[in-house]
Amino acid sequence: GAVVSQHPSWVICKSGTSVKIECRSLDFQATTMFWYRQFPKQSLMLMATSNEGSKATYEQGVEKDKFLINHASLTLSTLTVTSAHPEDSSFYICSATDTGRGQPQHFGDGTRLSIL
Amino acid sequence: KQEVTQIPAALSVPEGENLVLNCSFTDSAIYNLQWFRQDPGKGLTSLLLIQSSQREQTSGRLNASLDKSSGRSTLYIAASQPGDSATYLCAVRPSGGYQKVTFGIGTKLQVIP
Repeated sequence: GAVVSQHPSWVICKSGTSVKIECRSLDFQATTMFWYRQFPKQSLMLMATSNEGSKATYEQGVEKDKFLINHASLTLSTLTVTSAHPEDSSFYICSATDTGRGQPQHFGDGTRLSIL
Repeated sequence: KQEVTQIPAALSVPEGENLVLNCSFTDSAIYNLQWFRQDPGKGLTSLLLIQSSQREQTSGRLNASLDKSSGRSTLYIAASQPGDSATYLCAVRPSGGYQKVTFGIGTKLQVIP
């Protein structure tokens, strides 16, 4: 079945550093990928929609300069949390959909980000 | 704005019981509805996808139904097992061109051996 790989699975870093998270579709092409954030005991909240070859679309309240998204190929999207602070600590999950709107979304295993 | 509600928030049942998880949504203009499972600290595993034109989908011990007009979906789990313990999320994709999915907060299920 379709697989989405997300890396790293867990990262701990100091406040002020930048962290890059990768999301890859392993056996299908995805023109669109999605980035979600999940705080403890809350549901997933869409942060942005990543479009191959064009700028990402950010949801209201999400700072595009802080959460940089690059979707350089049909199988890879990256999310960079710039100048991370403790309040950015969260669980970040990406998803991708195979071509055709009838296909389900496939999710990566998530990245737990802890900012000290 | 689409809102997705899941009831109950948590459920604890003895092994072997059949159970039903509920999902309701406010805007019936949906393209599909998907049920996921999430284990602690993990990503999401897709369980069942129901297109708006469908009434139900089945996979093994799982059966999901959809009543679009009333804005409801149920996930039925037969003969529950301890390995079914997880949080179950439903997600709704709207009709139209935009793929944004709205998630419920989930139902945390514990199956007691």
